[in-house]
Amino acid sequence: AQSVTQLDSQVPVFEEAPVELRCNYSSSVSVYLFWYVQYPNQGLQLLLKYLSGSTLVKGINGFEAEFNKSQTSFHLRKPSVHISDTAEYFCAVEQGGSEKLVFGKGTKLTVNP
Amino acid sequence: GAGVSQSPSNKVTEKGKDVELRCDPISGHTALYWYRQSLGQGLEFLIYFQGNSAPDKSGLPSDRFSAERTGGSVSTLTIQRTQQEDSAVYLCASRPTNTQYFGPGTRLTVL
Repeated sequence: AQSVTQLDSQVPVFEEAPVELRCNYSSSVSVYLFWYVQYPNQGLQLLLKYLSGSTLVKGINGFEAEFNKSQTSFHLRKPSVHISDTAEYFCAVEQGGSEKLVFGKGTKLTVNP
Repeated sequence: GAGVSQSPSNKVTEKGKDVELRCDPISGHTALYWYRQSLGQGLEFLIYFQGNSAPDKSGLPSDRFSAERTGGSVSTLTIQRTQQEDSAVYLCASRPTNTQYFGPGTRLTVL
């Protein structure tokens, strides 16, 4: 069964610093990959997704992620974070044809002034 | 356009009572999902509806949990004889093709 590992449960950074949130998944069989963001007391909002094509995908709010098939990773990056990026970030994987998402445990990003 | 909506946003109930949680998906989305988000457990898949097909109930934790989707649109998740461990945020998502869009969730507290 597919599994998703987000290696860091909490990531504190200072404002304007770069950040990388790591995500690894277990199966290299055809997958769709997603990052969602959850602000306090809200639902999940789609940040970006990889379905096919270019392995570097850009999303909202200046985030991007790179699909690395050989390393089964889909790390999320932002070159300069803002206080407003403080939230919990979830990586999710859909194994081709399953139509169901498997989520990682989430990474809480805290941006400090 | 309108997103996925869920009601109520918060529900407090007593142990042993039944609760119903409602989800209104985005119009035209054929697939609808329910998830449970609780501390320490992350996001757990509960049930999946796709068109007129039989729902995938493989994630329902016990027979106290059930869900239906009427007319291919609105869905109701019912929890019977609630237990304290049912306290969580219940999220609904709908999907047109390959991306799920989530509602704001219902926070359920069982006292």
